[in-house]
Amino acid sequence: KNEVEQSPQNLTAQEGEFITINCSYSVGISALHWLQQHPGGGIVSLFMLSSGKKKHGRLIATINIQEKHSSLHITASHPRDSAVYICAVRDNNTDKLIFGTGTRLQVFP
Amino acid sequence: EPEVTQTPSHQVTQMGQEVILRCVPISNHLYFYWYRQILGQKVEFLVSFYNNEISEKSEIFDDQFSVERPDGSNFTLKIRSTKLEDSAMYFCASKRTGLETQYFGPGTRLLVL
Repeated sequence: KNEVEQSPQNLTAQEGEFITINCSYSVGISALHWLQQHPGGGIVSLFMLSSGKKKHGRLIATINIQEKHSSLHITASHPRDSAVYICAVRDNNTDKLIFGTGTRLQVFP
Repeated sequence: EPEVTQTPSHQVTQMGQEVILRCVPISNHLYFYWYRQILGQKVEFLVSFYNNEISEKSEIFDDQFSVERPDGSNFTLKIRSTKLEDSAMYFCASKRTGLETQYFGPGTRLLVL
C-alpha cells in the first residue's frame, strides 16, 4: 500500500469549475506539501501545511491531521491550471519527502 | 526571485558511462536534496545533504551514486556506471532551514542507451 494516496488520478473540468483534489497518508508527518508539475516536468511548490488552511489566489489547501487527509481546491479553474498536482508528506522521523502519484488535471475552455 | 538551477537540461549517455548532474541551489540555503522520477511514475527521494555530509539516503542510492558539494555553490550527483533503469528525470531541491519549504530545480532528463 502506498503511504500517500491521491484521488482522483485524472480529472477534467470546464473552465470556471471548482476543483478538489484529495490526499490521504498513512505515516506520521511533520508537514504536507502540494506541488504542481507542468508538462515540461518542472516542479513548483504551491503550499506547505502542518495544520489548518492556507490560501494563495485561487488555490486553497486544507489539512486534517487527525484524519490524515488534505485537500487542494482550485476556484474558478482556468486552462492554465492544467498540470499534475502532487501531494508529498515530510516523514515525522526524517526530513525526506514521500510523494503521491499525482493527479492529472485538464481544464478545457 | 532566486531559483534552483540544474545543468544539463537533457543528457544522453551509453550504459556503463559515468554522468555528473549539476545543481546550483539558492545561495543562502543549507539543505540539499536529489530526487528522481522515472517516466510515468511518482517522484522518489534519493538523498539529502546537510553540513557537508549525507543526512539520509534511500535504498535507490546505492554505491553507484554519490553526491558532492565541491564549492560553495554547486551540488552534484554522480552516477558511476549508468544502467538502463537510471533513465529518469532528476530533480535537485534546496531549502534554507529545516522548517521551510523546498524549492525544486527544473530537472535533468537523463536517458541511458
